[in-house]
Formats: sequence, structure tokens, C-alpha cells
Amino acid sequence: AQSVTQLDSQVPVFEEAPVELRCNYSSSVSVYLFWYVQYPNQGLQLLLKYLSGSTLVKGINGFEAEFNKSQTSFHLRKPSVHISDTAEYFCAVSGVLRDALNFGKGTSLLVTP
Amino acid sequence: DAGVIQSPRHEVTEMGQEVTLRCKPISGHNSLFWYRQTMMRGLELLIYFNNNVPIDDSGMPEDRFSAKMPNASFSTLKIQPSEPRDSAVYFCASSLSSGTPAAQYFGPGTRLLVL
Repeated sequence: AQSVTQLDSQVPVFEEAPVELRCNYSSSVSVYLFWYVQYPNQGLQLLLKYLSGSTLVKGINGFEAEFNKSQTSFHLRKPSVHISDTAEYFCAVSGVLRDALNFGKGTSLLVTP
Repeated sequence: DAGVIQSPRHEVTEMGQEVTLRCKPISGHNSLFWYRQTMMRGLELLIYFNNNVPIDDSGMPEDRFSAKMPNASFSTLKIQPSEPRDSAVYFCASSLSSGTPAAQYFGPGTRLLVL
């Protein structure tokens, strides 16, 4: 079965600083990887996805992620965060044969002035 | 363009009562998912449908939970009887599946509190 581990439950960062949210996956088959963001009291919104091709994936709101097969990682990065980026971020994996996603526990990003 | 619609947005009920959550997926999407989110267990997949047919219900906690999708534009998740441990936020999501996993679009969720 495919699974993901988000290594940090909380990441505090100052506004305009860079940030990296870490995600490692476990799978015995090819995987598809996703990052979602959840703002307070809202549903999840897709940030970006990796299906195949270039290992550097660019998403919305200035976020990007790099797929690293040798390290089984899919870390999310942003060079300069804003207060409005404060939210919960979820890494998710889906296997080749199923559409359903397995989510990580989430990382709470707190951006302060 | 309307997104995934869920109702009710909030539900407070007493233990033992029946609860029905409703979902309208995005028009044209052929896959529908029900998730549950709690602080302790995070986001868990309960069941998903493809072309109105249940594909995987291994995440459904027990017989008290049931889900239906009578047509492409409507799904329900029913809990009968409800228990306090069912308190959670329930999300519905839909996607357009075409061979490779597609992005899922989530509804705003139903916040359920069972007293």
C-alpha cells in the first residue's frame, strides 16, 4: 500500500522567509503525488501534483515541489511566504491502480510578521 | 462554475439518531469520495465511487455507516445509529478519472457533532 509521512507537524516561519514542508512516501509501485492546502474551516484545495515528467512541479500561490525518487521524497517549497499562507498542508499519494488518495497527517504552517 | 456542494454544513444530533450527509459532485466528474477528518486520525478515506459504483469501501468504520450514489449528481453518507465517536468533519470530493489519478475537488465539509 502507498503511504506518506509528513515529517513536521508544525512549521513556524516569519513573513517573507523561505519555507520547506517535508513529505516522504512509501510505495512499491509507481506513484502519483499531491499537495493540498486547507484554510481554516474550509475544504482542501489542490496546490500541485506530480504524475510524471519533470521532477520539479510548480503550483499555485508560488509553491513548488520536487519529486526525488531516490530519496522517496516530495518536499514542498516557497521562496517567500506571506501571512495568507498560514494553513494546514497535506501531502497525498495515489497508486497506479486506484484513484483514492492516502493523506499524510498534515503540517500546520504558521506565518508571523 | 459550482464546486462540490455538501449539506448540511453543520449537524448536531444526539447519540442513537440517524444522520444523513449529502453531496453533489461537480457536473461531469465520474469519481466521488467520502473522507472523514479528525484531530486524532487525520483525513481518512471512507469510500469511493466510480461511475456511481462503489469501488472501495474498506474505510467504512462499521455497519453503522452506509453510502449510496443513486446517480451521477448525488451521493449520501448515512450513519445509523450515530455515536459520539462519529463526531468529525466529513468531506466529499469528486474528480474526473481517465486512467491516471486526477485532482480531487473537495467540498466545504459537514461538521458533525454527536452528543
